[in-house]
Formats: sequence, C-alpha cells, structure tokens
Amino acid sequence: DSGVTQTPKHLITATGQRVTLRCSPRSGDLSVYWYQQSLDQGLQFLIQYYNGEERAKGNILERFSAQQFPDLHSELNLSSLELGDSALYFCASSAGDGTFQYFGAGTRLSVL
Amino acid sequence: GIQVEQSPPDLILQEGANSTLRCNFSDSVNNLQWFHQNPWGQLINLFYIPSGTKQNGRLSATTVATERYSLLYISSSQTTDSGVYFCAVETGGFKTIFGAGTRLFVKA
Repeated sequence: DSGVTQTPKHLITATGQRVTLRCSPRSGDLSVYWYQQSLDQGLQFLIQYYNGEERAKGNILERFSAQQFPDLHSELNLSSLELGDSALYFCASSAGDGTFQYFGAGTRLSVL
Repeated sequence: GIQVEQSPPDLILQEGANSTLRCNFSDSVNNLQWFHQNPWGQLINLFYIPSGTKQNGRLSATTVATERYSLLYISSSQTTDSGVYFCAVETGGFKTIFGAGTRLFVKA
C-alpha cells in the first residue's frame, strides 16, 4: 500500500458527461501529480500541485481541470467527455523536490 | 521537449536469468526514477536515482547523468518480476516524462 488513495476505482459514464476523480496523498506529502495512462499514449503527465499551488502543467486538455485543497487532497475534473478519454488516471504524491513519487491504485474511466 | 527512450521494448527471460534495461534521455534532467507496473496495474517505485548507483536486493540501478542514460539491472529474475518497467525523468520545468516502458515476462 503506497498510502495514496484514489476514488473511485472504476467509473463508467457517457460521452458529454463530467466526472470528478479524487486523490488523497500520503500523510505529510505536499506535492500531488496527475497522470493519464492509455494504450496508445502511454503514461502522460497532466499536472502537478505543490502545497495548493499549480506547479507544472503537462499535456492536460482544456476540458480537464484540477485543484489541490487546503487539506492537500486533490481533485481532477474531466468534462465534455469523449470516447478517447477512456484511460487509467493515476495520482501520485511526494514530499517535495528530490523525493520519490508514490502512486495510487488509479481510477479506470470508461466513456461509452 | 525532452525525449525518453527505453530498450528493449519487450523481454522474455527464463526464471533465474539476469537482464539489463536501458533508459536514454535527450537532455539534462533534475531527477530520474524507475518504476515497476505489475500485471494488476499498480505502479511501484524502485529507485530514485538522478546519478550514481543504488542497489536494493536483486535490483540495482546506475545513472550516468553526463552521458544521459540509466540502467536497471535485474538479477536472478523471478516470475513476480514480470510487468512493465518505466523510467521517468523530471525536467527543469518540473514536468515528469515517462518512457514507453520495457515489458518483461519471466517464464517459470
């Protein structure tokens, strides 16, 4: 158990809908990262937050947004969903620069 | 942007064999990590190794930052080593870039 909790584990929804994925980092970790893993694109970095502030942005679509709350948990919001958004979404956390990223078990999103 | 290439893409080993996985990166990086994704999809961190050599049991890793590559050594492989091995680098802009992975299957 990495100590990073992601909910829900599975999500099935329809095109055009909006979903929210939740991540609770390891106790004490200030950084949260979001990744998307799909068969054709591999593991793609989406966004990183550090202590509530956005720190780095990767290949995140404009239909996607994220935030990190004062209690350090994070949410990834995906809207106007398309079939191609079906993927495994991972959250990771770390204590800060120069430390391991610990990954949650992921949320598997299926858009039908 | 920075390119991360892993080789070989696929590897089949007999239990007990040794192997070397390679990760090349095209620019200087802040750090480098190796991960194992098991057949159930879980990502497990193996090494945080921006430079130098580290060992953990049957696994060891070496990163030569000046030559922009890292190696992961697996000795006396076991069936439980099967899965995909990823290297990931962090750029100067705090973005984490993953390689495409090496898919390892260890036969009993």
